[in-house]
Amino acid sequence: DAKTTQPPSMDCAEGRAANLPCNHSTISGNEYVYWYRQIHSQGPQYIIHGLKNNETNEMASLIITEDRKSSTLILPHATLRDTAVYYCIVRLLSGTYKYIFGTGTRLKVLA
Amino acid sequence: SAVISQKPSRDICQRGTSLTIQCQVDSQVTMMFWYRQQPGQSLTLIATANQGSEATYESGFVIDKFPISRPNLTFSTLTVSNMSPEDSSIYLCSVEGAWRTGGYDEQFFGPGTRLTVL
Repeated sequence: DAKTTQPPSMDCAEGRAANLPCNHSTISGNEYVYWYRQIHSQGPQYIIHGLKNNETNEMASLIITEDRKSSTLILPHATLRDTAVYYCIVRLLSGTYKYIFGTGTRLKVLA
Repeated sequence: SAVISQKPSRDICQRGTSLTIQCQVDSQVTMMFWYRQQPGQSLTLIATANQGSEATYESGFVIDKFPISRPNLTFSTLTVSNMSPEDSSIYLCSVEGAWRTGGYDEQFFGPGTRLTVL
C-alpha cells in the first residue's frame, strides 16, 4: 500500500503559486520523498526529491517538515501546462528502488 | 537522461489472446519496471525486471499471466496472456537512472501502451 495521502484535487489560478500537500506520517528515516507528475496519460515525469532538507530546482520547491511526516510541493508560478496529476511517493534509495504510487492530486490551473 | 520507446503504442485485442509489449531504452540500465494503469486510476507496479535475474512480481501479479523477458541492458518485453476486458489498461515501463547525482535517484517512464480488450 502507498505510504502517502494527498487531496484528490486542487485548483490554482494561472501565475499564482500552487502548493500541493502530502502526508507521509509513517515515513522511515532512510526513505526519500519524491514528486512526479503525469500529464494527460503520458508517462510520469520526475519533478524533485528530498530526504529532510528543503530542495529547489528549475521546476519546483519541496518543503519537508522537521518531523518529516508531511511535505509540500510548490510550483512558484503555475501555468496552464502544469495541469496534471501530481504524485507524492516515499521510497528507499537502496534495495528494490521501487515506487508505490498513491492516488495523487489532480491539479487544474485556471486561466 | 534516458529515452524510452514502447511498441505498440496502442492495440485492440480479442479476449483470450496474448499481446507482447516491447520497451527499448537508449542507454544501458540495470533496473527496469513494468506498471499498469487502469482507466482513471493510479499506477500499479507489476514487476521489477533486472537484467541477469528473474523478474520479481508484486502481490496480485503472476508470471503465467504477465511473463517478462529482459535479454539485455536496453530491452525488455511484457506479455499480457489470455487477455480479458479487465486487462484493458495503459502499460508502462520505466528505468531507474543515475543521471542527476551519480547515485540512483529517479525513474524515467516510457510513453505507455494503451491496450483495449474486447
